[in-house]
Amino acid sequence: NAGVTQTPKFRVLKTGQSMTLLCAQDMNHEYMYWYRQDPGMGLRLIHYSVGEGTTAKGEVPDGYNVSRLKKQNFLLGLESAAPSQTSVYFCASSYGRLAGGPETQYFGPGTRLLVL
Amino acid sequence: GDSVTQMEGPVTLSEEAFLTINCTYTATGYPSLFWYVQYPGEGLQLLLKATKADDKGSNKGFEATYRKETTSFHLEKGSVQVSDSAVYFCALFPYGGATNKLIFGTGTLLAVQP
Repeated sequence: NAGVTQTPKFRVLKTGQSMTLLCAQDMNHEYMYWYRQDPGMGLRLIHYSVGEGTTAKGEVPDGYNVSRLKKQNFLLGLESAAPSQTSVYFCASSYGRLAGGPETQYFGPGTRLLVL
Repeated sequence: GDSVTQMEGPVTLSEEAFLTINCTYTATGYPSLFWYVQYPGEGLQLLLKATKADDKGSNKGFEATYRKETTSFHLEKGSVQVSDSAVYFCALFPYGGATNKLIFGTGTLLAVQP
């Protein structure tokens, strides 16, 4: 089992460019999440999904879009990158409520994004 | 709203010292409580958890007890090692979990010196 994987590991963008971050999990988890981690702020939830084809907004969704076309994948898109989106992005996944609860989340290794 | 407050770091200790990282929370009802650890260059991984009052979570020599009367979940270890150097995050999952999200503290960096 690879667990939760993220691609790319590191990326540099110019302001206004777009990109997609890919998260994949092989644990058959129902729920998936995207967080951003900034110094002194902890982790903040951007968007999440409770199942294939569903998405929902988290704390800081502005400037991001997501899609969950397949159960194992959760994509995070930046349509027009801004310097304020420089951060480390973490994907996570968990079981759904019927399978023991979404409380325990499994994290990927992170994507470091720098927007110039 | 629900929130987690943990002590600011960095915490610098010598090997074999006793560790306490304080965590307090604000939440309605009975949230589940967690400690996650992030080693350098890696993602977060669950260290331990407790789901009800007076539960003690433990793993790898770390312990934390869910104290509802003081709304706390302090992390302790009797003898730290250099390999424990990491960032530690306290988190809660709200009662009912309607929002389906973990609420994290800001993290505490632990540096253990040989």
